[in-house]
Amino acid sequence: GQQLNQSPQSMFIQEGEDVSMNCTSSSIFNTWLWYKQDPGEGPVLLIALYKAGELTSNGRLTAQFGITRKDSFLNISASIPSDVGIYFCAGQLSVMGAGSYQLTFGKGTKLSVIP
Amino acid sequence: ETGVTQTPRHLVMGMTNKKSLKCEQHLGHNAMYWYKQSAKKPLELMFVYNFKEQTENNSVPSRFSPECPNSSHLFLHLHTLQPEDSALYLCASSQEGQAWNTGELFFGEGSRLTVL
Repeated sequence: GQQLNQSPQSMFIQEGEDVSMNCTSSSIFNTWLWYKQDPGEGPVLLIALYKAGELTSNGRLTAQFGITRKDSFLNISASIPSDVGIYFCAGQLSVMGAGSYQLTFGKGTKLSVIP
Repeated sequence: ETGVTQTPRHLVMGMTNKKSLKCEQHLGHNAMYWYKQSAKKPLELMFVYNFKEQTENNSVPSRFSPECPNSSHLFLHLHTLQPEDSALYLCASSQEGQAWNTGELFFGEGSRLTVL
């Protein structure tokens, strides 16, 4: 089956620093999504990307859909303590009538922010 | 407050017990899912219900039995589980269209299962 390589696996950063994480795949997707899971909670969607080359921002978060359709990155600028959590990338190859169950998730990047 | 609620939040059971996990979504969605989350592994899709019908079963052992009585409720019945089944079980819902799917899933907070 499809697999996503997400890196880094974990990060310890100082408050105020910028963060970058990425996902790569051996196969193409036509949707890339980034989810965040706070401790003790379920994942929540942060950003969705639907077009190769697309660059999308959501506050301090910026994500890009790679031109090859096999990769995506997420940047967080000026990190704050509430950015702590696990960030998951997910890829989807939608076909007519197919559903979200075709999402493939990465293993996650665990972010720790030191005040 | 999440639109997807799961109960119980924590469950400890022996290998011979029978228990059930419950999920309810208040978002009017037409698809519901069970995912298994284990440490250092990707989220694993277990079951999908679309319009109350099971459309996906990713080779899950028969000791896990899903039930979807209506589009708002989803259960996962557990029977004779193994210690390696200990994990966080996440329920999710989405609104599936005929020609376009956003890929956005709305997750519950999860049920932390420990099998002794």
